[in-house]
Amino acid sequence: SQQGEEDPQALSIQEGENATMNCSYKTSINNLQWYRQNSGRGLVHLILIRSNEREKHSGRLRVTLDTSKKSSSLLITASRAADTASYFCGKYGNKLVFGAGTILRVKS
Amino acid sequence: GAGVSQSPSNKVTEKGKDVELRCDPISGHTALYWYRQSLGQGLEFLIYFQGNSAPDKSGLPSDRFSAERTGGSVSTLTIQRTQQEDSAVYLCASSLDQGINEQFFGPGTRLTVL
Repeated sequence: SQQGEEDPQALSIQEGENATMNCSYKTSINNLQWYRQNSGRGLVHLILIRSNEREKHSGRLRVTLDTSKKSSSLLITASRAADTASYFCGKYGNKLVFGAGTILRVKS
Repeated sequence: GAGVSQSPSNKVTEKGKDVELRCDPISGHTALYWYRQSLGQGLEFLIYFQGNSAPDKSGLPSDRFSAERTGGSVSTLTIQRTQQEDSAVYLCASSLDQGINEQFFGPGTRLTVL
């Protein structure tokens, strides 16, 4: 079984709005990695946050990690139609495992 | 090549046949993962190779599934006596070392079992 869950399962927003996706895990991790999957394509790495880090930024992306709550959030600011994709968090303890992902739809 | 490659990109087979899926990781990457993604679902971990260590096979769904990695590079995932429920996209990923670093994913092989 997968370690933890992502929520929401699906999210629909208007272009320009912010999108927040959450990821929880059950056992201790070394790092947590967020990936994006566009329709019909492979996964692309977005951000890696290590267990001793609390926040990382990359362009319009912000990732937070709360190890006490065993959770992480991915915030996409000023969303664009091109951000429409599935987003997955990968939890690395002794191997990298993923949850079911969040489907984000950004309407223009 | 510049990235992870997988072949074939699409495979249609009949129930009961064996199939082999190939993954060419990025040169120098010691870690290699196989995942399975059913339609509209998340990524299901199958197997993980790290250097010369024994692979972590804990995600393989049945003994019909096996994988090998020759010479620490190319990997082959074999599914014997395929079933319709094996239909999915099979994704391969590699990284410099375990999961400490980002994974680079291949485009996947879409397997359809009729």
